[in-house]
Amino acid sequence: SYVLTQPPSVSVAPGQTARITCGGNNIGSKSVHWYQQKPGQAPVLVVYDDSDRPSGIPERFSGSNSGNTATLTISRVEAGDEADYYCQVWDSSSDHKVFGTGTKVTVL
Amino acid sequence: QVQLVQSGAEVKKPGSSVKVSCKASGGTFSSYAISWVRQAPGQGLEWMGGIIPIFGTANYAQKFQGRVTITADESTSTAYMELSSLRSEDTAVYYCAITKGLTVTTYFDYWGQGTLVTVSS
Repeated sequence: SYVLTQPPSVSVAPGQTARITCGGNNIGSKSVHWYQQKPGQAPVLVVYDDSDRPSGIPERFSGSNSGNTATLTISRVEAGDEADYYCQVWDSSSDHKVFGTGTKVTVL
Repeated sequence: QVQLVQSGAEVKKPGSSVKVSCKASGGTFSSYAISWVRQAPGQGLEWMGGIIPIFGTANYAQKFQGRVTITADESTSTAYMELSSLRSEDTAVYYCAITKGLTVTTYFDYWGQGTLVTVSS
């Protein structure tokens, strides 16, 4: 089955840039979506189709995808960005939705 | 704006079944695909399967094949997830989530609030 690997944690100071990676075999050939989940809440879509943002999501959130790595970038990090982040793709070989292992972003 | 409202928390015995509901409002139920995603305590998100209500056929993750049944009732705009032969490892928050368009392959636009299912003797 298709595996998506994320770093367990990323720490960043307020105002700096956080980069969260999502590794998968030839992930650049797939559409990658990113979700933010705060404690006790349902996930929220923050980036879809590699780099598009839903309405209401700040421009500070951006995405890229190439080769074996997709990346979610959070610019000018704020305290409110502290959350767990998950990448997600559709694996057509198994007809399964697959989530990454998740990354906890801590704002120092 | 679509809203998904799920049924309340459940406590079940090992070996029993649980059925969780997810009622949609504010949109066109027949134009969505609905999936179920679970999250064990302190763990990540896990896709269980999905259904396109107007087609009626469900697609299940291999891990849950034979134990999960996902259905949808267009007349009430409600989707259901039934999980059988429950074990302690099934203790989790279960979410329903909607994909716009008649496909389960893309991203989730809206999520329900989650339903905690606790399996304990």
